[in-house]
Amino acid sequence: SAVISQKPSRDICQRGTSLTIQCQVDSQVTMMFWYRQQPGQSLTLIATANQGSEATYESGFVIDKFPISRPNLTFSTLTVSNMSPEDSSIYLCSVGIRGRPGANVLTFGAGSRLTVL
Amino acid sequence: DAKTTQPPSMDCAEGRAANLPCNHSTISGNEYVYWYRQIHSQGPQYIIHGLKNNETNEMASLIITEDRKSSTLILPHATLRDTAVYYCIVFYGGATNKLIFGTGTLLAVQP
Repeated sequence: SAVISQKPSRDICQRGTSLTIQCQVDSQVTMMFWYRQQPGQSLTLIATANQGSEATYESGFVIDKFPISRPNLTFSTLTVSNMSPEDSSIYLCSVGIRGRPGANVLTFGAGSRLTVL
Repeated sequence: DAKTTQPPSMDCAEGRAANLPCNHSTISGNEYVYWYRQIHSQGPQYIIHGLKNNETNEMASLIITEDRKSSTLILPHATLRDTAVYYCIVFYGGATNKLIFGTGTLLAVQP
């Protein structure tokens, strides 16, 4: 399975600033997703990162707040813009190879723990 | 995607089998049952998945009822390292391919 490197692994940021999280994969993947995990909660899907086109956002998430880039099949970034303390979460990148149903196993990065003061 | 229901927490003695139940009564015929787990401070890890038949791999066994409305994940010999939140997810894996997590079960393996 793919190996994911997420940077930064953790950061402490000031209110009103923006932070970009990078997701680098050691092999080409067709599917890339970004999740958020708020303290003590389960994972919530933010968006699907589409190569060469705009990301597909889930309900409650917008591009202005969480701009996503995916320039190629091995790299994506998620920016958390104009941060507030409510954005303090772990942000996780997930990747997989699109195949027939039942053959889709996603691999997750270790996550980026963000604390907003 | 269909929703799942899992107990919020379970305990298991080290060395014993851990049986984690999951209800998915509204599962569609083409949806698979996937299990992931998340050990504290790590990203989720894939465990196993199945459609109709029972499945076994080096980590666990998955038992799916004949009507597919529920399933059980079995860790045959639980260790302290198996303490984690276990997520049962029903997932088609088609064009949209989105994995939606529920609240999961916190399995605490006791020494």
